[in-house]
Amino acid sequence: EAQVTQNPRYLITVTGKKLTVTCSQNMNHEYMSWYRQDPGLGLRQIYYSMNVEVTDKGDVPEGYKVSRKEKRNFPLILESPSPNQTSLYFCASSFLGDGGNQPQHFGDGTRLSIL
Amino acid sequence: AQKVTQAQTEISVVEKEDVTLDCVYETRDTTYYLFWYKQPPSGELVFLIRRNSFDEQNEISGRYSWNFQKSTSSFNFTITASQVVDSAVYFCALRGFKTIFGAGTRLFVKA
Repeated sequence: EAQVTQNPRYLITVTGKKLTVTCSQNMNHEYMSWYRQDPGLGLRQIYYSMNVEVTDKGDVPEGYKVSRKEKRNFPLILESPSPNQTSLYFCASSFLGDGGNQPQHFGDGTRLSIL
Repeated sequence: AQKVTQAQTEISVVEKEDVTLDCVYETRDTTYYLFWYKQPPSGELVFLIRRNSFDEQNEISGRYSWNFQKSTSSFNFTITASQVVDSAVYFCALRGFKTIFGAGTRLFVKA
């Protein structure tokens, strides 16, 4: 089954404790991206990647890191989480297409609470 | 700067009413892509439709229709004869390699 898999689905942690949210897709997509969803703000893009070893900032990259060492994986790293990073996070992937014309497939989301 | 505005935060209708969700976008790109996604109460994001900037044809898919007007930078979504299962948050998005989402419109359809 074609899917984007995020882990964990839920996480409660404390300020400053490094964490990683994993994302994996099995559709051979070149493009992968991370978003956070907050009430009243919709989804905001954190980072995206157009292929292995190619990553770029979205609109809200501060406090986050990503890496794309393999095509299928795109982990999101919070080196020193803070309470304002409490949010619902989505990973997405798509074929690169022509300038971003492909619909994105989304994971089920990771609800992150940072105390 | 690119921007997507969904001015309607929440809409409540009674089943079988028609409802239109508005989406206005801003971009300086000449080639761009617009999308609608649905997020039902279960939380997943479901792709509904894509429209590119050089194709202004309106589209109908069952009870759903989309009206793309480049002159007003709008890409509105109409649900005809709404049903309770249409209750969800609907997002409009503008995409190049970056993706900009609107804040979403929460639609309640009451039986």
